[in-house]
Amino acid sequence: DSGVTQTPKHLITATGQRVTLRCSPRSGDLSVYWYQQSLDQGLQFLIQYYNGEERAKGNILERFSAQQFPDLHSELNLSSLELGDSALYFCASSVGPGIQETQYFGPGTRLLVL
Amino acid sequence: AQSVTQPDIHITVSEGASLELRCNYSYGATPYLFWYVQSPGQGLQLLLKYFSGDTLVQGIKGFEAEFKRSQSSFNLRKPSVHWSDAAEYFCAVGVSGTYKYIFGTGTRLKVLA
Repeated sequence: DSGVTQTPKHLITATGQRVTLRCSPRSGDLSVYWYQQSLDQGLQFLIQYYNGEERAKGNILERFSAQQFPDLHSELNLSSLELGDSALYFCASSVGPGIQETQYFGPGTRLLVL
Repeated sequence: AQSVTQPDIHITVSEGASLELRCNYSYGATPYLFWYVQSPGQGLQLLLKYFSGDTLVQGIKGFEAEFKRSQSSFNLRKPSVHWSDAAEYFCAVGVSGTYKYIFGTGTRLKVLA
């Protein structure tokens, strides 16, 4: 158990819908990362927040957005969902924002878009 | 552009045999390199990382990796594989100054009893 929690574990929705994935980092960690893992794209870094501020952006679509709240939990919002958005979405956390930080991954949220 | 290549999609070894998983990267500066393991249905767990210094890095679960700048490689090794090592292994590079991470496509390890 990494100490990172993600809810829900599974999510089934329809195309065009909007969903919100939630992540609670390990106690004491200020940095949160979001990743997407799919069969065709592999594991892709989406976005990083540190202490409430956006720190880095990866291959995140404009239909996707994220935020980190004052209590440090984070939400990833996916809108206008398409079939290709079906994937496993991971959240990770680390103490600091640096590239050298050890990231601790949550168990993921599996999203299925029908 | 930065990239990470894991040339072996699948590898099968017998329990007790040695293991080497290959990773090649393309990056202009000295990279930050990582190896992660993902067990079925689980998130990723960091095995080891390299930033500078000794090019042979020791990690958890008996794994080690060697950074070879001349070959742009960061191969993962284990002298004796256990059945519990069956998992998917990802090599990643951290792009300094951008805080971005690039992952390889992964190598799925199967261990025969």
